[in-house]
Amino acid sequence: GAVVSQHPSWVICKSGTSVKIECRSLDFQATTMFWYRQFPKQSLMLMATSNEGSKATYEQGVEKDKFLINHASLTLSTLTVTSAHPEDSSFYICSAVTPRGIQETQYFGPGTRLLVL
Amino acid sequence: SQKIEQNSEALNIQEGKTATLTCNYTNYSPAYLQWYRQDPGRGPVFLLLIRENEKEKRKERLKVTFDTTLKQSLFHITASQPADSATYLCALDPSSNTGKLIFGQGTTLQVKP
Repeated sequence: GAVVSQHPSWVICKSGTSVKIECRSLDFQATTMFWYRQFPKQSLMLMATSNEGSKATYEQGVEKDKFLINHASLTLSTLTVTSAHPEDSSFYICSAVTPRGIQETQYFGPGTRLLVL
Repeated sequence: SQKIEQNSEALNIQEGKTATLTCNYTNYSPAYLQWYRQDPGRGPVFLLLIRENEKEKRKERLKVTFDTTLKQSLFHITASQPADSATYLCALDPSSNTGKLIFGQGTTLQVKP
C-alpha cells in the first residue's frame, strides 16, 4: 500500500519556539494532504486541508497564523507550529489521498509527538 | 447536533472469539464509512471502507456492516488473536467528497490468550 512518512517522530521544544513537521508521500503524488491532531485518550480531530499549490483551508477554531501549512510539492506538506505553548503539546498526524480520488482510502503517517515545555 | 460515537469502554475478549465493535452516527448521511486500526503512539491504519449501497464487506477475518436506516456500522473480527489488540476507529466523510474525515473516539480491544 501507499506509504506516508513524517519527520520528526517526536520533538521537545521550549515554549515560544516554532516547530516544523514534515509529511511526505513516498511512493505516490498527493495533491491533497490532511493534518490531524490527537490529544491523549481522544480521537483524531481534523485541523486543516493542505492543497498543493494553493492555500490551506482550516477547520473552525484552528488558528491559521499559528499552524502554518505549506504544500510546496506533490509529495511534501509541512506544518509549522509557531510560538508553541504547552497546550499545543499533542500528537500530530498527517494523511494523504492517492491520485485515485477523494473517496478512496487515506494513508496516514506514523505521527509526530510534540511536547512543549 | 452531529455525532459519531463508539463504545468508549474497552472490549475484553478471549482469543478465538468474535469481537464486535459498534459505530453509531447521528445527523450525517455519509456515502461511505471507514474503519481504521490504531496502535499506541502510531497513526491509524486503514482496514475497510463500506459504501452506503453495500450492506456488508469482508476482508479475511474482518467483516463490516453498514445500516443507513439505523445509522450504524458494526465491525467484526472473527477468530480473534492477541495481535488484534488495538484501538479501532470508525470514520466518515460528512460531505462524501472532500476527504475530510470525522472520527469516532475509538474502542480499545484487548484479546486475551
